[in-house]
Amino acid sequence: DGGITQSPKYLFRKEGQNVTLSCEQNLNHDAMYWYRQDPGQGLRLIYYSQIVNDFQKGDIAEGYSVSREKKESFPLTVTSAQKNPTAFYLCASSILPGPDPYEQYFGPGTRLTVT
Amino acid sequence: GIQVEQSPPDLILQEGANSTLRCNFSDSVNNLQWFHQNPWGQLINLFYIPSGTKQNGRLSATTVATERYSLLYISSSQTTDSGVYFCAVVNAGGTSYGKLTFGQGTILTVHP
Repeated sequence: DGGITQSPKYLFRKEGQNVTLSCEQNLNHDAMYWYRQDPGQGLRLIYYSQIVNDFQKGDIAEGYSVSREKKESFPLTVTSAQKNPTAFYLCASSILPGPDPYEQYFGPGTRLTVT
Repeated sequence: GIQVEQSPPDLILQEGANSTLRCNFSDSVNNLQWFHQNPWGQLINLFYIPSGTKQNGRLSATTVATERYSLLYISSSQTTDSGVYFCAVVNAGGTSYGKLTFGQGTILTVHP
């Protein structure tokens, strides 16, 4: 059963704590992405990765960090430097952008609440 | 960067009605996807349609890339169609890493 899994579904943290969100895919996709969604808004790109051990900042990377040690996994750490971390976080994956259709598929998301 | 505008922002229908959702974008694209976000937040892929027309059951989509718009048609709507519909594009002029730029979404409510 191929797909993208994210855990946990809900996460609660105190201000000042770092927290790591998990994203795993078994679609054999090279590209992985992290997006953030705020209430009533579309999604915005935080980080992306096209290959193991390489990743790039998206539009709103400040206060976040990622790693890509395995092709299947792309964890996101929300650090205490992120000023407004409460949001819905979605992970996505696709084949590498190119001449073939590179449809992005999304995981179920993690709702993070920081108080 | 590329701008994506969706209309209408809200749409209320009776079950069985048809509807058309519109997505306008400000630059050329090499990827356009339509998604349905269900009440639990899951983004469900509806169409990958950078150009042309596709149909899947009661849903169909058309993208006219030269005129920079896409339309999503929902026929014989059902209550399970309720949710938020997003259009998202990849700017053909940007670096080709596949970043999707999302519109603000159309909130669809279908009443029984």
